[in-house]
Amino acid sequence: EAGVAQSPRYKIIEKRQSVAFWCNPISGHATLYWYQQILGQGPKLLIQFQNNGVVDDSQLPKDRFSAERLKGVDSTLKIQPAKLEDSAVYLCASQAGTGGAYGYTFGSGTRLTVV
Amino acid sequence: AQSVTQLDSQVPVFEEAPVELRCNYSSSVSVYLFWYVQYPNQGLQLLLKYLSGSTLVKGINGFEAEFNKSQTSFHLRKPSVHISDTAEYFCAVTGANAGGTSYGKLTFGQGTILTVHP
Repeated sequence: EAGVAQSPRYKIIEKRQSVAFWCNPISGHATLYWYQQILGQGPKLLIQFQNNGVVDDSQLPKDRFSAERLKGVDSTLKIQPAKLEDSAVYLCASQAGTGGAYGYTFGSGTRLTVV
Repeated sequence: AQSVTQLDSQVPVFEEAPVELRCNYSSSVSVYLFWYVQYPNQGLQLLLKYLSGSTLVKGINGFEAEFNKSQTSFHLRKPSVHISDTAEYFCAVTGANAGGTSYGKLTFGQGTILTVHP
């Protein structure tokens, strides 16, 4: 089966600009996650979707970050305006259901550099 | 709330030596535990996972881990490492609350950089 697709692979922007990332999960996977991985740290959850509904966005900086998952399939994560501290790898992951018994599949990530 | 502590940020080791990467966790009623490996500029690859049953879990590339509920630990081991094992390793946990509702999300540790020297 095809994996989790993410684009772009790399992005460099200036601070205060906006940027968007795209994720296409494995077909049929109901649960989708966005994680932020800052250099030298473990991934941190930004938002969790179940189909097209938000399950957990408690760690999403809502003043500048937004995410949507229209029709419960692919998803976009947007940052507007970007700050230097947003430089990180943004990982998307999907699951067939919700819970540890379901396998997690991660995409290769989008590496964002804010200058 | 879930949390993971990886006790070593960096582990240097010589080729063919054994290695242990330590992980302690806290969670609620039930837990599922994972180890992932990340090579430079790549995504996360699952090494192994504990869902239930035998506390000794075998994974890919000769790695294994032991779930110890009393010590809330899930240490990763390999009896003989290779240069190609040089990478960053992440321990992660998810679980369910007392009502049986799964959290779904993975909570990761800070990572351990394993460097294998010739």
